[in-house]
Amino acid sequence: KQEVTQIPAALSVPEGENLVLNCSFTDSAIYNLQWFRQDPGKGLTSLLLIQSSQREQTSGRLNASLDKSSGRSTLYIAASQPGDSATYLCAVNSGTYKYIFGTGTRLKVLA
Amino acid sequence: GAVVSQHPSRVICKSGTSVKIECRSLDFQATTMFWYRQFPKQSLMLMATSNEGSKATYEQGVEKDKFLINHASLTLSTLTVTSAHPEDSSFYICSARDPTGRTEAFFGQGTRLTVV
Repeated sequence: KQEVTQIPAALSVPEGENLVLNCSFTDSAIYNLQWFRQDPGKGLTSLLLIQSSQREQTSGRLNASLDKSSGRSTLYIAASQPGDSATYLCAVNSGTYKYIFGTGTRLKVLA
Repeated sequence: GAVVSQHPSRVICKSGTSVKIECRSLDFQATTMFWYRQFPKQSLMLMATSNEGSKATYEQGVEKDKFLINHASLTLSTLTVTSAHPEDSSFYICSARDPTGRTEAFFGQGTRLTVV
């Protein structure tokens, strides 16, 4: 059974710092992995999608990497801003389009 | 990306009543939709898979008589929480799969249900 874990659970950083959020999964047989952002009381905003054949994806200040063999993905946020404050979720699709979500990292960027 | 619309975004209902949540795919036909639930400070957990024209498939531990799912058309799935209780208060979110080849599912904006 696929399990997805995110570390750290919470993170508070000063504005301008580069930071890394970690996601690990137990079953490497994945179809793709997606990173989402969730603001308090809101739905999900898709940030990056990485296919199982890809190593990384970039969008603006965000870069996500995938190492399927070790069951890990990282989300790198460059030059963090207060507007980046949110909960970041990674989710694994093992081919059935049923997403297994991680526990989330609550990020707070201080001005 | 594709658009999935969920309605309502927030609903408050009295204990014992039923409430319906709609999930629509606006620019594609979704043969399969998924319903998730998120309790406070927890992650999203899959409740059920909704298949157009057939019965929904529920995850273990989810009461199918309490959470009625109907997927009567290729663009609409509904989740009805029957005889709601305060413990059903949660954030419900749907996703839809575009069968034309795109490899990700697309998520709605979610519905915050509060049962008083």
